[in-house]
Amino acid sequence: KNQVEQSPQSLIILEGKNCTLQCNYTVSPFSNLRWYKQDTGRGPVSLTIMTFSENTKSNGRYTATLDADTKQSSLHITASQLSDSASYICVVTPTGGADGLTFGKGTHLIIQP
Amino acid sequence: DAGVIQSPRHEVTEMGQEVTLRCKPISGHDYLFWYRQTMMRGLELLIYFNNNVPIDDSGMPEDRFSAKMPNASFSTLKIQPSEPRDSAVYFCASSLRSSGNYNEQFFGPGTRLTVL
Repeated sequence: KNQVEQSPQSLIILEGKNCTLQCNYTVSPFSNLRWYKQDTGRGPVSLTIMTFSENTKSNGRYTATLDADTKQSSLHITASQLSDSASYICVVTPTGGADGLTFGKGTHLIIQP
Repeated sequence: DAGVIQSPRHEVTEMGQEVTLRCKPISGHDYLFWYRQTMMRGLELLIYFNNNVPIDDSGMPEDRFSAKMPNASFSTLKIQPSEPRDSAVYFCASSLRSSGNYNEQFFGPGTRLTVL
């Protein structure tokens, strides 16, 4: 069964600090991996997308990396801001089942002033 | 564009009652998805449509759940009869199919359902 595991489940850091969120998956073969940000009370919003041939993708202070050999991805947040407080969800799309997305349960990130 | 629109935003009902959730996708998008999100299970895909036709409903938990898409701009998810374990946030998302599987899904704000 295709799975996506995220760690840590929750994380609290001080404003201005960096952090890294992890995503391990068993989906294979896979087409792309996407990181979503979900603010409290809202729907998820896409941050980055990477295909299996890409190693890194940046979106402002967010940088996602992908190691297709070890089936691991990470999302690094630089110089965190209070607005980064949210849940971050890793989503993997399998090849041939472009719509059969597999979602992780997310990492709940809290930025403290 | 206003994005994906869902209604109601909050619904509180009693066990046994019928609940209907509504969704208006982004104009021009040909895929529509219904999800359920709980703390325990995260986001779960319930059903999705392509050009108004249901493609995969394997995620629908049981016969109490049904979904329709009568036209390209409207879809409903119905629960009848509702049970307390159906309490969750229900999201609708839409996407425009593109080559290379870069079909980003755009989510609505969700409907928070509480069944007492």
